[in-house]
Amino acid sequence: SQTIHQWPATLVQPVGSPLSLECTVEGTSNPNLYWYRQAAGRGLQLLFYSVGIGQISSEVPQNLSASRPQDRQFILSSKKLLLSDSGFYLCAWSPGTSGIRTQYFGPGTRLLVL
Amino acid sequence: QKEVEQDPGPLSVPEGAIVSLNCTYSNSAFQYFMWYRQYSRKGPELLMYTYSSGNKEDGRFTAQVDKSSKYISLFIRDSQPSDSATYLCAMSVSGGSYIPTFGRGTSLIVHP
Repeated sequence: SQTIHQWPATLVQPVGSPLSLECTVEGTSNPNLYWYRQAAGRGLQLLFYSVGIGQISSEVPQNLSASRPQDRQFILSSKKLLLSDSGFYLCAWSPGTSGIRTQYFGPGTRLLVL
Repeated sequence: QKEVEQDPGPLSVPEGAIVSLNCTYSNSAFQYFMWYRQYSRKGPELLMYTYSSGNKEDGRFTAQVDKSSKYISLFIRDSQPSDSATYLCAMSVSGGSYIPTFGRGTSLIVHP
């Protein structure tokens, strides 16, 4: 069965510090991968998605970037965090080729920028 | 008008009640419909997935799609306090990217 991991679970960072959040998927190949941010009362905001290694699409201009160095690894980064980057970050995957549209989410990382 | 509308609630019901959660949408091209359950401080968990119109049942949960009205529902029978969570609907088109459009979620509280 497929499993998605995210770490860390919780992170407190000062403004201006760098960020690296990691997501890995097990039990599947060639998944589509996604990064979302969820703010209270504002729903899920898609940040980045990837259909393959090195292929990243950005949905909103922002202080963040994403990379996919391996087939089942997705990394969310920032060089300098802003207060507005605080939120709940979710990684998700979906089957890349089967035509099924469902997404499966990881446990999330709660980021607090102070 | 947002593509997917969902009442944020909270919806508070007594244990054992039948719960009805709903979403409306504007894009008639949506063909795939999903319901997720999200407990506080956790990632969303896929509950139900349906394609096109009709009903789908899984235990105490029934998903219903009415494409003519652009309306989807999730029914929970014999609701339990453990069902207390936020329920998100999501939907996507056939073809193109695999990115669904999510509702903002409805908060459900089932009290003993």
